[in-house]
Amino acid sequence: QKEVEQDPGPLSVPEGAIVSLNCTYSNSAFQYFMWYRQYSRKGPELLMYTYSSGNKEDGRFTAQVDKSSKYISLFIRDSQPSDSATYLCAMSGGNTGFQKLVFGTGTRLLVSP
Amino acid sequence: NAGVTQTPKFRILKIGQSMTLQCTQDMNHNYMYWYRQDPGMGLKLIYYSVGAGITDKGEVPNGYNVSRSTTEDFPLRLELAAPSQTSVYFCASSYLGGRDHEQFFGPGTRLTVL
Repeated sequence: QKEVEQDPGPLSVPEGAIVSLNCTYSNSAFQYFMWYRQYSRKGPELLMYTYSSGNKEDGRFTAQVDKSSKYISLFIRDSQPSDSATYLCAMSGGNTGFQKLVFGTGTRLLVSP
Repeated sequence: NAGVTQTPKFRILKIGQSMTLQCTQDMNHNYMYWYRQDPGMGLKLIYYSVGAGITDKGEVPNGYNVSRSTTEDFPLRLELAAPSQTSVYFCASSYLGGRDHEQFFGPGTRLTVL
C-alpha cells in the first residue's frame, strides 16, 4: 500500500464547474497537509497549506483535512481554464519531520472553456 | 530575486557517463532538497540538506551524491548513469520557520539516459 494515494485522472470539467480533488494516506503521524499546483513543464508551487484537521479557504480554493478518515480534499469553485494543471497533495510530520514531504502521484485537471 | 535556479534544463547522457545537476537559491534558505519526478509516480525525495555541510538521504538516494559547501548551492551528482535515472529532477528550498513550511521549487532538469 502506498503511503499517499491520489487518483491520477485526468479529470475533465467545463469552465465554472466545482472541482473536487482528493488524497488518502496511511500514516496517522502526518500533521502538515499541502496542495501544490504544477503547470506543464514547470516546478510545483504551493497552493494551500493546512495544519492538522479542519478547513481552510483562500479565494476559490478550499482545503479540507479529515484525520480520522485519513482523507484530504481540495475544492475549486468556479473553475477556470487557467486552473488546468496537475495538483499534487503532499504531507509530512511524525518521525519523518515536517520538512520531508511525501507526495501523491498528482491529479491532472483539464478545464475546458 | 531569481528564487531557485537549475542548470541544465535538458541533458541526454549515455549509460555509464557522469554529470552534475546544479541548483542555486538566492533566498538565504537553510533547507534544500532534490526530488525526482517520474510519469505517474509523483515526486520522490533523493537527498536533502538542513544547512551548509549537512546532508542526509531521502527515499531514493542510490546512484546519487550531494554536497552543500555554501548556503546557496546544492549540486546533485550522478555517477555511472543508468536508464532508470531517466527522470525530471527538481531542486527546492525552504526556510525553517517560513510561512506554511513552503518549499520553493526550481524549473527542473529533464534527464534522459540512453
